[in-house]
Amino acid sequence: DVKVTQSSRYLVKRTGEKVFLECVQDMDHENMFWYRQDPGLGLRLIYFSYDVKMKEKGDIPEGYSVSREKKERFSLILESASTNQTSMYLCASRASAAFTPWQPQHFGDGTRLSIL
Amino acid sequence: KQEVTQIPAALSVPEGENLVLNCSFTDSAIYNLQWFRQDPGKGLTSLLLIQSSQREQTSGRLNASLDKSSGRSTLYIAASQPGDSATYLCAVRPRGHNYGQNFVFGPGTRLSVLP
Repeated sequence: DVKVTQSSRYLVKRTGEKVFLECVQDMDHENMFWYRQDPGLGLRLIYFSYDVKMKEKGDIPEGYSVSREKKERFSLILESASTNQTSMYLCASRASAAFTPWQPQHFGDGTRLSIL
Repeated sequence: KQEVTQIPAALSVPEGENLVLNCSFTDSAIYNLQWFRQDPGKGLTSLLLIQSSQREQTSGRLNASLDKSSGRSTLYIAASQPGDSATYLCAVRPRGHNYGQNFVFGPGTRLSVLP
């Protein structure tokens, strides 16, 4: 079974801090994704990466950056955390959409981030 | 632009009932459709994946159908149990976009199965 692991289930940070959310997958997947999920707004894509050192903005990239130095790890960075970034953050991975578009997406358990 | 809707937004049923959750999408040009389950405060668990060439998929008490031409999918849950209580989301993978294109998610249906 595919395993997508997010480093923290719950995280509390202060406004202005630099925050790192880590995600690791064990299936050698090329594609990785970061979403946030808010009540009434559903899942929204922040950034995705289709391979090592490759990244693309999603629907709501403002205030975030990402890093993909190794294939198995995809990090989401909040450069200067703000209260409106309090949310549930979900990481996902998938085999390459370019060559296997029929493959499913696999999700981690999520990180509930609170910015005070 | 692909849009996905799910009806109803919430549903309560007594234990043992069979039920159907609905998912609609506006553009039939998809690779596949995936149904997920999400428990409160948790991530998404994949339930069923239907390719665009398929009409249905089954896993245990779950059966998902796909009618691509009409832009609809249903998730049928037989003999519902309290443990089925969760939010169910559907997502489609659009065709004709760059290879990084993500799934497009519906808002979910919150299901409560009462003992």
